[in-house]
Amino acid sequence: AQRVTQPEKLLSVFKGAPVELKCNYSYSGSPELFWYVQYSRQRLQLLLRHISRESIKGFTADLNKGETSFHLKKPFAQEEDSAMYYCALNIAGNTPLVFGKGTRLSVIA
Amino acid sequence: DTGVSQNPRHKITKRGQNVTFRCDPISEHNRLYWYRQTLGQGPEFLTYFQNEAQLEKSRLLSDRFSAERPKGSFSTLEIQRTEQGDSAMYLCASSNPTPYEQYFGPGTRLTVT
Repeated sequence: AQRVTQPEKLLSVFKGAPVELKCNYSYSGSPELFWYVQYSRQRLQLLLRHISRESIKGFTADLNKGETSFHLKKPFAQEEDSAMYYCALNIAGNTPLVFGKGTRLSVIA
Repeated sequence: DTGVSQNPRHKITKRGQNVTFRCDPISEHNRLYWYRQTLGQGPEFLTYFQNEAQLEKSRLLSDRFSAERPKGSFSTLEIQRTEQGDSAMYLCASSNPTPYEQYFGPGTRLTVT
């Protein structure tokens, strides 16, 4: 079965510091990986997906098939980045997502 | 159309009662998903539809749970004989094949007392 692991429940960083939210997955095929974000009192929304290889709000993530990882990175954290971040996996387009347990990012001023 | 909507937003019920939640997807989306999220967990898949056809049900979906999407538009999720373990946030999402992205609703928070 597919599984997504986010080892950190909470990550606290100072404003301006680099951020890395870890995500590892288990799946023998070629999955599609996503990062979803949930800001306070808002709904879950897509942040980025590995296929598009784009940077959103300064965040990037690279799929490393050898390490089965899809870590989310940002060089300089901002206070508005404070939120809950979920890594998710999809084994075929337009099918249910498998989510990790999430990491709460807290950016301290 | 301002996105996926869910009603009610909150539901408190006594153990043993039946509850029904509604999800209205983005109008042109043909796929609709239900997830459940408990404290400290990510969303977990329950079931999904393509138009009116229910394509898959998770093992999390016990016999007390039933979902429908009668006309391929809105969907309902019913829980019969609720138990305290059913207390959770129930999320609905919808998508189209291209570009594939699941858009989530605000969720319905169920509390079973």
